[in-house]
Amino acid sequence: ETGVTQSPTHLIKTRGQQVTLRCSSQSGHNTVSWYQQALGQGPQFIFQYYREEENGRGNFPPRFSGLQFPNYSSELNVNALELDDSALYLCASSGDRGYETQYFGPGTRLLVL
Amino acid sequence: DQQVKQNSPSLSVQEGRISILNCDYTNSMFDYFLWYKKYPAEGPTFLISISSIKDKNEDGRFTVFLNKSAKHLSLHIVPSQPGDSAVYFCAARISGGYNKLIFGAGTRLAVHP
Repeated sequence: ETGVTQSPTHLIKTRGQQVTLRCSSQSGHNTVSWYQQALGQGPQFIFQYYREEENGRGNFPPRFSGLQFPNYSSELNVNALELDDSALYLCASSGDRGYETQYFGPGTRLLVL
Repeated sequence: DQQVKQNSPSLSVQEGRISILNCDYTNSMFDYFLWYKKYPAEGPTFLISISSIKDKNEDGRFTVFLNKSAKHLSLHIVPSQPGDSAVYFCAARISGGYNKLIFGAGTRLAVHP
């Protein structure tokens, strides 16, 4: 059974650019949640996808968007990057809309210059 | 508005002694609490959880206590080992439609030989 994987591991972008981060969920899981972890803080909930539909959203602007595919893998897209978007982006997979324990991937560290 | 607070940014403990990590919360709607451990360059790893209807859950060296009247959660590690050195995050879950985790800022535990 493979765990949650994310790609890329690191990324450097400039302000105004767009970025796509990817997540493969753990086998048997149909729910993916995305979190942003700024330096020195705990992860903050961005949104959750359940069976290819957005199932809930945190306090992030619309330029943060996502997708979930039939195999339950997911993408996080961020448009018009700002310096404050520099953070570790974590995805977590779980079963049943997150009622079960959420298991995290290693994260993608994004630096916006 | 920090709904989950870990007021101690760091804790240093001698190997073999007890480590106690604390967490306070403000939202009475939280129905489930989790502790995650995070090593550098890795995603958070699930450690132990507790439902709001219980006051204690034990798993090997790890015990979580929940005091609902005080809105306080603690993680006890006995005995502490050098491999326990990591950042520990307390997280709380709000259920209903979708399930997002709200994290504290983390406590860095250092276990010295």
